[in-house]
Amino acid sequence: AQSVAQPEDQVNVAEGNPLTVKCTYSVSGNPYLFWYVQYPNRGLQFLLKYITGDNLVKGSYGFEAEFNKSQTSFHLKKPSALVSDSALYFCAVRDMGGYSNDYKLSFGAGTTVTVRA
Amino acid sequence: DAGVIQSPRHEVTEMGQEVTLRCKPISGHNSLFWYRQTMMRGLELLIYFNNNVPIDDSGMPEDRFSAKMPNASFSTLKIQPSEPRDSAVYFCASSWGQGAYEQYFGPGTRLTVT
Repeated sequence: AQSVAQPEDQVNVAEGNPLTVKCTYSVSGNPYLFWYVQYPNRGLQFLLKYITGDNLVKGSYGFEAEFNKSQTSFHLKKPSALVSDSALYFCAVRDMGGYSNDYKLSFGAGTTVTVRA
Repeated sequence: DAGVIQSPRHEVTEMGQEVTLRCKPISGHNSLFWYRQTMMRGLELLIYFNNNVPIDDSGMPEDRFSAKMPNASFSTLKIQPSEPRDSAVYFCASSWGQGAYEQYFGPGTRLTVT
């Protein structure tokens, strides 16, 4: 079974400060990990993913995420947050050890990020 | 590329009526997913298709819900009869290949059942 936890419902930061959105996962094999962002009244937009290789993954809009296998975490980070980063962020995982025809992603509950000016 | 296209964007209907939601995936993608999003339950996977074949429909809430994918460029999600608790935003997403590839989401259909 695969699952994702986002321990914080909300994250509030001041513009210009670093932003971190936490994600931990549980899989039986090795994970594929994804981050998505959802702006109000919009669909989810893909930010970045970890498949294999370098543990630090860079994505869209200046975001990056660090895969930590020992801590089973995949936290999303941005060095300097913008007001326009205010949105709902989702972490998702697929277990590579799962059935090869199983393309499902398991999504976390989401973290609402508010960046104040 | 136009992205994933969903129609209608908004649907308001009365309880008991049939509702059909439509999705056109990104050209070349061979997997299609239907999700439902509510404040209470978050994002739920309802059903997904690979190469037009339903792979897992375990998330479909009950027999009132059905989904079809007659060809690679079109899918429908039907609710019959609709109930107020079906009110939600329904998203369609598509992806290419196996699980290493990200899913691309449509703008969603906001369904309100009165």
